[in-house]
This record gives sequence, structure tokens and C-alpha cells, in this order.
Amino acid sequence: NAGVTQTPKFQVLKTGQSMTLQCAQDMNHNSMYWYRQDPGMGLRLIYYSASEGTTDKGEVPNGYNVSRLNKREFSLRLESAAPSQTSVYFCASSEGGDTDTQYFGPGTRLTVL
Amino acid sequence: LAKTTQPISMDSYEGQEVNITCSHNNIATNDYITWYQQFPSQGPRFIIQGYKTKVTNEVASLFIPADRKSSTLSLPRVSLSDTAVYYCLVGDRNNAGNMLTFGGGTRLMVKP
Repeated sequence: NAGVTQTPKFQVLKTGQSMTLQCAQDMNHNSMYWYRQDPGMGLRLIYYSASEGTTDKGEVPNGYNVSRLNKREFSLRLESAAPSQTSVYFCASSEGGDTDTQYFGPGTRLTVL
Repeated sequence: LAKTTQPISMDSYEGQEVNITCSHNNIATNDYITWYQQFPSQGPRFIIQGYKTKVTNEVASLFIPADRKSSTLSLPRVSLSDTAVYYCLVGDRNNAGNMLTFGGGTRLMVKP
């Protein structure tokens, strides 16, 4: 039981390049989330998926797209990376419902040059 | 969105009890209060959650007064390994995804 896994762990991109961050969970959770965390700051929600087949914008969705591929997987795509997107990206999942505890992955550290 | 306010940082010594208070004046009726812990280079980890009064688990206690406009996380007898950032969150029940908002957190430093 791995919980929430993320790939890659580290990535360096040049401005304008694209990439996809992968996230998978093996807890049969309904809801999945993507956050970014800038140095010394709290987490900000980018997108979330309340259930398979649905996605919604969070606090900072500009410059990102997501795909809920199936119940297990939720990917985050940067179509044209910018230096402002340099951050640590965390994926999380939860069962959904009134007591919605989120379980987080280890993070992807992304640098855009 | 129910916003939260926490102290930016706190210092303590090993063996002491630490209380971190969070203000959430605009908490909604159906909102729960959740605390997470984050170590450097790791994702946040759930500590405790409550709705009202007191909740206790093997790690911490959570005290919530009757008006629910604040909450206090209590860590008994902290050790050096409790040095981390602690986030207080209130669930946003206006969004179907139970979206939670992380503020800046409280940076706890435990000294020997």
C-alpha cells in the first residue's frame, strides 16, 4: 500500500517547455487534488477532482491543465512553463465527504529557468 | 471561504506542552477544523480533526470552544522531532470538492 505517489521527484524545464506531473493513489479515494507550495509559504490549490470524471479550478489554476484519467490517477500539465511556476507540487487524495482528510504525496520539485 | 489566522512561529523546549491557537471567525455551520503537520521536503500529514468541544488522539488534542471561532492544537511533551510547520484548516463547504485552504501555518521550533 504505497498511498499517494508522484513522478517525477525533481524536474528542470526551460521557459516555454511543457511537461506532465503524474499522481496516483491506491486507497480507492474519490477526490484528488493538486497544490503548489512556494518557498516559506502555505499550499495553494491549483485544481481538484471531486470524483472520477470531474475537475474544478482551485485558487491558482492559470497556466495549468488537469486530467482525471481514472479513479487512481490525476495528472497536472504545464503547457508552456514560466519561471513563476517554479515551486514544489503536491498531489493529495481523500475519500470525500464531510470529514475530508487529505493524504499527500511526497511532492515534485520543479524549477523553470 | 473561512480564513484562518495563526501565529507565524513559536519556540518551545523538549518535554513542554505546546498550544497553538487558530482563529477562524467566519467558520460555517458545516465546517470541520483540521490540523496538518509538515516537515521540510515532505507533504503535509493529517494530525487531528474536530467539529466542537474536545478531540484527542494518540498524537494531539484539539480544543474547540462553543462559538467555534477559534481552536487550539495541544501537543503534549514535545520532542525535537515535533519541529515542523502546523497548519490549521477549515473546510469550505461551498465547494463540492470539500476544498481546504492552507494559510501560512505556524512554524514550531523545539529546542533541546
